[in-house]
Amino acid sequence: SQTIHQWPATLVQPVGSPLSLECTVEGTSNPNLYWYRQAAGRGLQLLFYSVGIGQISSEVPQNLSASRPQDRQFILSSKKLLLSDSGFYLCAWGQNNEKLFFGSGTQLSVL
Amino acid sequence: SQQGEEDPQALSIQEGENATMNCSYKTSINNLQWYRQNSGRGLVHLILIRSNEREKHSGRLRVTLDTSKKSSSLLITASRAADTASYFCATNSGYSTLTFGKGTMLLVSP
Repeated sequence: SQTIHQWPATLVQPVGSPLSLECTVEGTSNPNLYWYRQAAGRGLQLLFYSVGIGQISSEVPQNLSASRPQDRQFILSSKKLLLSDSGFYLCAWGQNNEKLFFGSGTQLSVL
Repeated sequence: SQQGEEDPQALSIQEGENATMNCSYKTSINNLQWYRQNSGRGLVHLILIRSNEREKHSGRLRVTLDTSKKSSSLLITASRAADTASYFCATNSGYSTLTFGKGTMLLVSP
């Protein structure tokens, strides 16, 4: 069966520090991969998606970047975090937009 | 851009009552999906309804779709305290991504 792993669950980082969030998927091949951000009490904002290795599409210009070094690995990064980068980050995978499977999320607090 | 918009933003009911949430969207869709999110957790897919379908059931869930009004509703019958969560609609307009609404927070009191 397919599973998705996302870590860490919580992260507190100072302003200006780097960020690396990792997401891996098991039990499927060539998935579409997604990074979403959710502000408190708000909906999901799509940050990046990838349809294949090395293929990244950015939805919103920002202080973040994403990479897909392997078929089932998706990484969200920043060189220098801003206060506004705080939020709940969710990784997800899917195929054909029929159904998305989400990770358990990372609560990022930038102080 | 925000495609789906849920209504109401928050809903508080007693156990055993029915809960109805609505979703409106702006552009044509291939399908519409509903997800559930418990506090501090990831989203879980509940049900998908295609643009050529008008109603779909799954257990205590009933989803309707009115493409002429660009709206959908999610009905949870005989609600339980464990149904307390946020519920999101998401639309697929034929691209590689889904667009999520802002969600309805449902509180079911024992």
